[in-house]
Amino acid sequence: ETGVTQSPTHLIKTRGQQVTLRCSSQSGHNTVSWYQQALGQGPQFIFQYYREEENGRGNFPPRFSGLQFPNYSSELNVNALELDDSALYLCASSADGEYYGYTFGSGTRLTVV
Amino acid sequence: LAKTTQPISMDSYEGQEVNITCSHNNIATNDYITWYQQFPSQGPRFIIQGYKTKVTNEVASLFIPADRKSSTLSLPRVSLSDTAVYYCLVGDMDNTDKLIFGTGTRLQVFP
Repeated sequence: ETGVTQSPTHLIKTRGQQVTLRCSSQSGHNTVSWYQQALGQGPQFIFQYYREEENGRGNFPPRFSGLQFPNYSSELNVNALELDDSALYLCASSADGEYYGYTFGSGTRLTVV
Repeated sequence: LAKTTQPISMDSYEGQEVNITCSHNNIATNDYITWYQQFPSQGPRFIIQGYKTKVTNEVASLFIPADRKSSTLSLPRVSLSDTAVYYCLVGDMDNTDKLIFGTGTRLQVFP
């Protein structure tokens, strides 16, 4: 079985720009969750998509948005980038949101300058 | 979601047993306790999950007392490769709670 794949692995953007991060979920998984992890901190929940619909959102502003496609892959979009958006962005997939069955990707390291 | 409290960091030496305790005083009846491990620049990885008493797998053991207000992750005979951050999470598996991470415990294993 394939794991969770994220792209790109690293990215540098300028403040004010927009960015799109991509995630391919593990085979058989229909739920994708996105997390932001600042240096030295635990992952912070951004939102979750279940069968192409948003299924819960953390404390992040509307400029963080997402999509899930029919093949259950997903995108995270961030508009009007701020310096504090610099972080490791993690994607996790699971089957029907099973609590113990989350499989994480290796993340995208975003640096905003 | 029940809040968890863990030590910020722990040090150990190769070959020793490491026990990391997590407090979750407000755990609900339907909540499960799950531990994840994270290496630098990687996503967290599921280690073990339990509801009560003791659970053991090939990697670790999880001890949960009767009141379930705390739990202890036990790593037998750690090696340098066990150096990582360990997260304790509590949530209602039946309602597919979202995984909410705390700051975790940074374990450093020395030779």
